[in-house]
Amino acid sequence: SAVISQKPSRDICQRGTSLTIQCQVDSQVTMMFWYRQQPGQSLTLIATANQGSEATYESGFVIDKFPISRPNLTFSTLTVSNMSPEDSSIYLCSAGSRLKREAFFGQGTRLTVV
Amino acid sequence: ELKVEQNPLFLSMQEGKNYTIYCNYSTTSDRLYWYRQDPGKSLESLFVLLSNGAVKQEGRLMASLDTKARLSTLHITAAVHDLSATYFCAGTSGSARQLTFGSGTQLTVLP
Repeated sequence: SAVISQKPSRDICQRGTSLTIQCQVDSQVTMMFWYRQQPGQSLTLIATANQGSEATYESGFVIDKFPISRPNLTFSTLTVSNMSPEDSSIYLCSAGSRLKREAFFGQGTRLTVV
Repeated sequence: ELKVEQNPLFLSMQEGKNYTIYCNYSTTSDRLYWYRQDPGKSLESLFVLLSNGAVKQEGRLMASLDTKARLSTLHITAAVHDLSATYFCAGTSGSARQLTFGSGTQLTVLP
């Protein structure tokens, strides 16, 4: 099984600033995804992180707000830009492959915007 | 577009009792996942169900999949307090294997 390291684990940020979350996987994976979990809610997919090209965003999420990078098969970043209190959520990185059966999650980043 | 409906949203049960969480999905999903989430924690993978009729068991939890009915169940046998958590089911859509999650079931096992 893949081990996913995500950091920071939590942060408190001022509105209007940006935070970059890092996700490192210990083995090469085909797929990397970013999810958001708002307080008391389920998980919603933000985007699929594509290696070496622009991420594929889900409806309601845009690149200007959530720029994503994936320079190689094992690393991705998600930036939450120009933050507002509504961005307070847990952000989770996920990884998997077409061949392997499981989808693994990092420990999440708990973001609070004040 | 895949939609996943999970019920109940909240479940309080007595220790020693049995109960089932249901997960319905709207279109073909070739994998069905069950996860557990403890408060303030990430998701722990419980089961991956791949085919019609698949049944997997781990301890007091048993998951099954009926692709014809587009239904998966998570059955809890003789619940214990340690099972208190939120349980999510999720299906896959598209070739990229992104997950669509149900709303989650917050399980509380009472002594």
